[in-house]
Amino acid sequence: EAGVTQSPTHLIKTRGQQATLRCSPISGHTSVYWYQQALGLGLQFLLWYDEGEERNRGNFPPRFSGRQFPNYSSELNVNALELEDSALYLCASSFFGTSGGETQYFGPGTRLLVL
Amino acid sequence: AQSVSQHNHHVILSEAASLELGCNYSYGGTVNLFWYVQYPGQHLQLLLKYFSGDPLVKGIKGFEAEFIKSKFSFNLRKPSVQWSDTAEYFCAVKWKTSYDKVIFGPGTSLSVIP
Repeated sequence: EAGVTQSPTHLIKTRGQQATLRCSPISGHTSVYWYQQALGLGLQFLLWYDEGEERNRGNFPPRFSGRQFPNYSSELNVNALELEDSALYLCASSFFGTSGGETQYFGPGTRLLVL
Repeated sequence: AQSVSQHNHHVILSEAASLELGCNYSYGGTVNLFWYVQYPGQHLQLLLKYFSGDPLVKGIKGFEAEFIKSKFSFNLRKPSVQWSDTAEYFCAVKWKTSYDKVIFGPGTSLSVIP
């Protein structure tokens, strides 16, 4: 079974530009989560999509946005890039198992560098 | 506010030493608990999880964790570490009282010296 995939693996942009990151969940998973992993800051929750709708967002400015498509893949858009947006962006997909809990499985991430 | 803390930022052990990494969360309620590992150059992998039942859960690669509800803790243990266990370890908690996000701890970097 294929895992969570993300593209591109690396992305280099300059300040003020826009970045688009993509994520394909594991087949059968309907929820997609986005996290930012900046150096020394751990994983910070960005966005959660489920069944095509945004269900929750973390403490990030509105220039971080995204969407989920009918096939449950997802896109994260970052507008007006700033230097501090440089980080590893992780996508996770999840499902609710028979044990009643939800487990997230992570992709390899997209490393974004803003110059 | 909900938060997750990990006791150590960086741990250095010799091979065959025992490991215990601490994890505490901010307040009670029904929780799902997770430990993830991130090996150098690899993506986050699930080590183990607790949803309900036996508070002592076993995961992959000889890891186990114990949920102590009264202490809001979910500590990770391994009786004998190997060089290949060198990685970043993250504790994560999801509170079931709200249909909400998983909150991750800041991570503990483990270095195992051969």
